[in-house]
Amino acid sequence: DAKTTQPTSMDCAEGRAANLPCNHSTISGNEYVYWYRQIHSQGPQYIIHGLKNNETNEMASLIITEDRKSSTLILPHATLRDTAVYYCIVSRLNTGTASKLTFGTGTRLQVTL
Amino acid sequence: ETGVTQSPTHLIKTRGQQVTLRCSSQSGHNTVSWYQQALGQGPQFIFQYYREEENGRGNFPPRFSGLQFPNYSSELNVNALELDDSALYLCASSSGIREQYFGPGTRLTVT
Repeated sequence: DAKTTQPTSMDCAEGRAANLPCNHSTISGNEYVYWYRQIHSQGPQYIIHGLKNNETNEMASLIITEDRKSSTLILPHATLRDTAVYYCIVSRLNTGTASKLTFGTGTRLQVTL
Repeated sequence: ETGVTQSPTHLIKTRGQQVTLRCSSQSGHNTVSWYQQALGQGPQFIFQYYREEENGRGNFPPRFSGLQFPNYSSELNVNALELDDSALYLCASSSGIREQYFGPGTRLTVT
């Protein structure tokens, strides 16, 4: 699986959009970009994933560049409850079963008043 | 709440002992993956079980083993515990190729 690079930490004011970048310059054509987050002392939580088109769900939006070498996770209106470590993961979509996820150290997002 | 439960929540073992951790997957999910998360690090993939068969393994020694039962619940067994095995152990359940749902984890301390 391709390696990802994320900033170690970021701050965001509550109510503002949080834009979390991720570089994955060695991504292959059959690899997806996944985002998970981990709130302190809990298991990781799935946020969103995509291949090459931008994706949006009730939690976030995922913007993938045309060359697929980088992506941005957008939390449109961050709240204090969004304070967490955010992991960007690149992984092939398996046939029939879930992908084996390779987590890095992620970005620690601190949302402040 | 993901519907994935793990037991016990915490436990303390002595070096050289054996431990069994348990995971109940979300209803309808036939795949369970196990991860180890050391302090300050991201989770590392241990292995995955699909319909009671091991379906992929990460870079962990054979003393890490597992089982999946007909109801798709799973166990992680670690023999000959070492101090470096101290970590949060996470299981994640999924159905097909969809996203994985993680449990709250078991915090293992080896002294």
